[in-house]
Amino acid sequence: VQLVESGGGLVQPGKSLKLSCSASGFTFSSYGMHWIRQAPGKGLDWVAYISSSSGTVYADAVKGRFTISRDNAKNTLYLQLNSLKSEDTAIYYCARGGGLFDYWGQGVMVTVSS
Amino acid sequence: DVVLTQTPSILSATIGQSVSISCRSSQSLLDSDGNTYLYWFLQRPGQSPQRLIYLVSNLGSGVPNRFSGSGSGTDFTLKISGVEAEDLGVYYCMQATHAPTFGGGTKLELK
Repeated sequence: VQLVESGGGLVQPGKSLKLSCSASGFTFSSYGMHWIRQAPGKGLDWVAYISSSSGTVYADAVKGRFTISRDNAKNTLYLQLNSLKSEDTAIYYCARGGGLFDYWGQGVMVTVSS
Repeated sequence: DVVLTQTPSILSATIGQSVSISCRSSQSLLDSDGNTYLYWFLQRPGQSPQRLIYLVSNLGSGVPNRFSGSGSGTDFTLKISGVEAEDLGVYYCMQATHAPTFGGGTKLELK
């Protein structure tokens, strides 16, 4: 099992960014998936979840600004980040769901700064 | 939101010492399906979190059996029976019975 995030970088406040998480080694379409983030020097913070049937749940802090989605044909999970704020600066991890949280990616850094 | 309170925030131990970390929830974590979705993770410096325990007391694949989890309802404990050098890092509890939340973390360091 491998999860590899990409798409991070430096972005100005109010702008957008799209993160990807490429999955391999398991039947991606059968599992829900999570995005979890960690601000520099801080603890872990759950962001969003998408079920195997594409139902979605969001943390209040990102609801209306972030969108989680998936492409089962490409074995890829996405997180669209809009209206970014400085407090969104963090490492973003994808993790396998299904009540498991057993595999996590290496994380991708998003820095929101002018 | 469910608040998870971990204690202590810093834990100093010697190699071979047994230690425990507490995780208390502001609400019961017993789900209507009968499961309690309480997990424990270790994050070593510069690494992604690694799952140690799932559903309160189940040892993750490849996790040494010196790690054990216990508890029910709102009170949970992670025990390490004989700390080894590779166990140093920050431990987090997490619940997923409700919208997932994490405890504030416990840093395990060498005394």
